[in-house]
Amino acid sequence: GNSVTQMEGPVTLSEEAFLTINCTYTATGYPSLFWYVQYPGEGLQLLLKATKADDKGSNKGFEATYRKETTSFHLEKGSVQVSDSAVYFCALLGGTSGSRLTFGEGTQLTVNP
Amino acid sequence: GAVVSQHPSWVICKSGTSVKIECRSLDFQATTMFWYRQFPKQSLMLMATSNEGSKATYEQGVEKDKFLINHASLTLSTLTVTSAHPEDSSFYICSARNRDRGYGYTFGSGTRLTVV
Repeated sequence: GNSVTQMEGPVTLSEEAFLTINCTYTATGYPSLFWYVQYPGEGLQLLLKATKADDKGSNKGFEATYRKETTSFHLEKGSVQVSDSAVYFCALLGGTSGSRLTFGEGTQLTVNP
Repeated sequence: GAVVSQHPSWVICKSGTSVKIECRSLDFQATTMFWYRQFPKQSLMLMATSNEGSKATYEQGVEKDKFLINHASLTLSTLTVTSAHPEDSSFYICSARNRDRGYGYTFGSGTRLTVV
């Protein structure tokens, strides 16, 4: 079945540092890939997505490229801000799970001023 | 944009009582709604999937008689935790699939349930 593996957290960075959160997946066919962000005490918000190989999703300075050859969708940001502190979830849709999203474990990011 | 309203945002109840959580899609019709449970510092665990007008499909290990899901209309789904116990304390999040926006998913803001 489908699965998503994220790099273990927590991740702590200083403001303006470069961010990478790794995400790899296992799925049949051609899934869509997503990054969601969860701020404390809130639900999930879609950060970005990519629906086919080599697509790059981007939003608010975050980027991720759908790499089918490495089955990866790593999240990057060139210069993080304190306000980026949150939990980030990688997710996929499709394959054997049909219409259900499959989530990774989540990565806690803390950005210090 | 697509908005899903979930309430209450937090609730405290006594053991043995029932609690209802509502999830409404405010500006779109939700063909499918999903209910998740999230434990501290963990990922989301899918509890059930509901389609408007039909019975919910529960994931393995989720007690359907304890977690009652009703999806009476295209804009409203409810989760009722019956005879709540302290181990039911958790963060519950709903998600609605938006038929009008490429079947994208919109999440509610979550409900923190504490059973005392």
